[in-house]
Order: sequence, then structure tokens, then C-alpha cells
Amino acid sequence: AQKVTQAQTEISVVEKEDVTLDCVYETRDTTYYLFWYKQPPSGELVFLIRRNSFDEQNEISGRYSWNFQKSTSSFNFTITASQVVDSAVYFCALGSGAGSYQLTFGKGTKLSVIP
Amino acid sequence: GAGVSQTPSNKVTEKGKYVELRCDPISGHTALYWYRQSLGQGPEFLIYFQGTGAADDSGLPNDRFFAVRPEGSVSTLKIQRTERGDSAVYLCASSLGEGGGTYGYTFGSGTRLTVV
Repeated sequence: AQKVTQAQTEISVVEKEDVTLDCVYETRDTTYYLFWYKQPPSGELVFLIRRNSFDEQNEISGRYSWNFQKSTSSFNFTITASQVVDSAVYFCALGSGAGSYQLTFGKGTKLSVIP
Repeated sequence: GAGVSQTPSNKVTEKGKYVELRCDPISGHTALYWYRQSLGQGPEFLIYFQGTGAADDSGLPNDRFFAVRPEGSVSTLKIQRTERGDSAVYLCASSLGEGGGTYGYTFGSGTRLTVV
């Protein structure tokens, strides 16, 4: 069975601070995909990144960076110099094996960036 | 269209009534998915269509839930004899092929269903 754990329910930071959102996953499949989505108050899930299990290279996109560690089954997300517009709920998700189209989501982390 | 469109954006219905939720995917996307998101939770998979057929309906909670996609484009999620526990946001997503790692998904803004 697949499982995604986002231990941080809510985080508040002051604008311009860095913040890391944690994600730990469980799967028995050797081939799997990990995602991060942003859900602003409008409700739409906005795609941020997709990684496959064979690519452990970390990625940076502007103020966003992701740290994939297979040894600890973690896929953490860091926002550098946070901004008020980053306030949203962030979800980590896993798609694995033959059913990789079926995503298993964590419960989400609500990030509030205070001006 | 430019994105995945879901209508209505909000639906309030009385317990026991029948409701239909509509999803219009991105043009050309063959795969379509329905997810349900309860308050404070992540989305949960309901059903996956490839073309007109339901390739995987293992996430549908019971036989009161049914979905169709007769022409391989627009999909309708149907809920019979609604219960208060059905209250949630119903999200639709589409992808160019089978999603997951290969193509990823585009989600709509969802339909917020409230059963009173």
C-alpha cells in the first residue's frame, strides 16, 4: 500500500524567511513518481513538480527547491525568501507501480506567510 | 478549453436527492480522473477514464456513485440518494495520456458539494 505523510499541519513564517515542507512516503514499488501541488484559496490544485524514483537529483526552480532522498523516503520542499503569495495548502503526492495514475496524497501543509 | 472546467462550482442539495457534477477536460486529453477532497484532507482517488471507458473505478465508495464519459470528453459524476457524508469538494483532472509519471495532471477548481 502507498502512504504519504506530511507531518506539519500548519506553518507560519514571516515574509522573506525560508521554509521547508516535509514529505515522507511509503511504497513497495521500485518505480514511482512524486509530486508537489499548491492549493490556493481558490481551490485549484496547481502542479509544481514531478520526480521519478530513478532521478534523485535535487531541483531548483526560482525560489523553490526540492530535496529527494530515497534513503529516508523523503521529498522535501523548500521555499526561499517566502512571499505572501506563497500562502496556500501544499500537498505531496505519490503515484507508484502499475497504478501510477492513481495518486495518493498527503493531508497537506497549510503555509501562512505573514507580511 | 485552456483548463479543466468543472460545473457547478458550488452545489447545495438536500439529503436523499440526486446530483450530477460535470467535468470538461482539456481538449485532446484522453485520460480523465475524479478525486474527492474532504475538509482538511488530501484528495482521494475515485475513478479513472481512458477514452470512454472507466479503466479503474476502485475508488468509488459505494454503488450510489457512478460516472460516465460517453463521448470521451466531458464526464459526469452522478451521486444518488445523497448523504451528509458525501459533502466534499469533487475534483476533476485530465492528462494527455495515462497520467502519473509520464504526463502529469491538470486539475480543475472543483465542485463544492454540500448535503444538508
